[in-house]
Amino acid sequence: QKEVEQDPGPLSVPEGAIVSLNCTYSNSAFQYFMWYRQYSRKGPELLMYTYSSGNKEDGRFTAQVDKSSKYISLFIRDSQPSDSATYLCAMSKITGNQFYFGTGTSLTVIP
Amino acid sequence: EADIYQTPRYLVIGTGKKITLECSQTMGHDKMYWYQQDPGMELHLIHYSYGVNSTEKGDLSSESTVSRIRTEHFPLTLESARPSHTSQYLCASSQLGANVLTFGAGSRLTVL
Repeated sequence: QKEVEQDPGPLSVPEGAIVSLNCTYSNSAFQYFMWYRQYSRKGPELLMYTYSSGNKEDGRFTAQVDKSSKYISLFIRDSQPSDSATYLCAMSKITGNQFYFGTGTSLTVIP
Repeated sequence: EADIYQTPRYLVIGTGKKITLECSQTMGHDKMYWYQQDPGMELHLIHYSYGVNSTEKGDLSSESTVSRIRTEHFPLTLESARPSHTSQYLCASSQLGANVLTFGAGSRLTVL
């Protein structure tokens, strides 16, 4: 069983829609949760970073962590064509030496 | 903008050639990593380093080697490239005590 499972997509939405991206995980030792955005032919860039459970908001982006369900989400409000990218979830344990990634969800926002 | 640089960005070579993928970071990060990324697959850890003269193999079996002679530099070498090595290679770094990675732009390798 993979340690991190991510909805494969691809996801296609109209501009202005609310997008929900999700990952589940199996290891209760994960404490740090990240979302990376990767444009085509680029490396992943850190979008959101959360420690333990709860919500974190940054502009149009909200990250949610539910440790009891081992479930994390990224919400994008008022989606824009520039949000079209692959989104990777990642997580690590308290030591932070190893990182575990989802397979990524490809998102296309149609103008 | 990321302060971690990878060269070459794209490389096409023949089977049996030796290649080195370069990775440098200017952030003074202690931890550095090499990942392999293929479409639809999670990132696989190939090698990592927690500091100068410290290198470890990751969970992905690999015929590559790395070195960490300077904090800022973490090159990956393939002694004899094969078509199965065709992939995207991502270098990343992290500060000791931090729990996020900063990635380079990647090196896309094609072995014919």
